[in-house]
Amino acid sequence: NAGVTQTPKFQVLKTGQSMTLQCAQDMNHEYMSWYRQDPGMGLRLIHYSVGAGITDQGEVPNGYNVSRSTTEDFPLRLLSAAPSQTSVYFCASSYHPADTQYFGPGTRLTVL
Amino acid sequence: KQEVTQIPAALSVPEGENLVLNCSFTDSAIYNLQWFRQDPGKGLTSLLLIQSSQREQTSGRLNASLDKSSGRSTLYIAASQPGDSATYLCAGEGGSNYKLTFGKGTLLTVNP
Repeated sequence: NAGVTQTPKFQVLKTGQSMTLQCAQDMNHEYMSWYRQDPGMGLRLIHYSVGAGITDQGEVPNGYNVSRSTTEDFPLRLLSAAPSQTSVYFCASSYHPADTQYFGPGTRLTVL
Repeated sequence: KQEVTQIPAALSVPEGENLVLNCSFTDSAIYNLQWFRQDPGKGLTSLLLIQSSQREQTSGRLNASLDKSSGRSTLYIAASQPGDSATYLCAGEGGSNYKLTFGKGTLLTVNP
């Protein structure tokens, strides 16, 4: 199993550009989530999904969109990048939110 | 809203010492409590998961306890080694809201 994979590993954007962070898992997990990690702020939940076709907002959803068309994939879209979205983004998955969470290696995003 | 606090923010110990990391949470309706390890520039790795019906979990030199009534969890590391140096994070899941809330972590340094 590859586990949870994220692409790209690094990305630099200019303000106003859009992009999609990819997340995929091969463990047939129903629950997937996106976090951002900022110094002094810890990990904060952006969006999550309890299964294909079902998504919901987390703590800091503004400026981000998600969709879940398959069990395996959970992409995160930045609609119009802002410097405040400079962060490290982590995707995680599990069978259920109460189960052990498996994290991807992260995407380091810089918005200029 | 669940809030999770970890004290201390940083800890430096000599090799071989037994140590305790603390995690406190505000909502005793927590469903489970997970401890993670994060190495620099890497994703999170789950160490131990304690369900609400459990009081503790053990894995090798690690032991985690959960006391819902006092809103506290501890991670005990026995006979610490330099390879244990990392940031340790705890996270609580609230049961019905499918959301994990993370503490900001404790940066552990074990000196040879």
